[in-house]
Amino acid sequence: DTAVSQTPKYLVTQMGNDKSIKCEQNLGHDTMYWYKQDSKKFLKIMFSYNNKELIINETVPNRFSPKSPDKAHLNLHINSLELGDSAVYFCASSQVGSGGGYTFGSGTRLTVV
Amino acid sequence: LAKTTQPISMDSYEGQEVNITCSHNNIATNDYITWYQQFPSQGPRFIIQGYKTKVTNEVASLFIPADRKSSTLSLPRVSLSDTAVYYCLVGSTGTASKLTFGTGTRLQVTL
Repeated sequence: DTAVSQTPKYLVTQMGNDKSIKCEQNLGHDTMYWYKQDSKKFLKIMFSYNNKELIINETVPNRFSPKSPDKAHLNLHINSLELGDSAVYFCASSQVGSGGGYTFGSGTRLTVV
Repeated sequence: LAKTTQPISMDSYEGQEVNITCSHNNIATNDYITWYQQFPSQGPRFIIQGYKTKVTNEVASLFIPADRKSSTLSLPRVSLSDTAVYYCLVGSTGTASKLTFGTGTRLQVTL
């Protein structure tokens, strides 16, 4: 079973559309994250949720809205997509204080045309 | 958050030991040092984490001097499949932690 799974793997959409990316982890971790990796391969944290509570909210346009229905799921909804939103989005999870690091999903490649 | 500096790229032949050093002069008392590996089109994969001295697992070793201002990831006898980008990160394991990725080191292993 995949520890951190994201869907879809690829997403191609037009500017102005609204789309969602789903993430689920079966590791029993209490914290989940969204990272964005741009064309220059920089990985930047966007959001962090601990037990469904928003902990970290970096400087991200409010068109991006994370939602955590339970601690095993963290979805990312993006409104009014722009060309600059094209990137690979990674979901990750961790257990606070465990020292085991983050477990990342395989990523969702979003292309806005 | 402590900033990290590591070489942009390294080359190695298969079978050699590779050491990648990371500088983190501003590391805080409660920060851990963590290394990740990323292959193209995949998410980063946790390799090893340490606080001080030496940590070893089945994949790599991590050497941390007493002042903790740097660390060295050691990959024994690399193979072609170790070609990847390696990231060094420092941060706490607390609730509000947010691991910040730097540019990473692109390791190219050839025959």
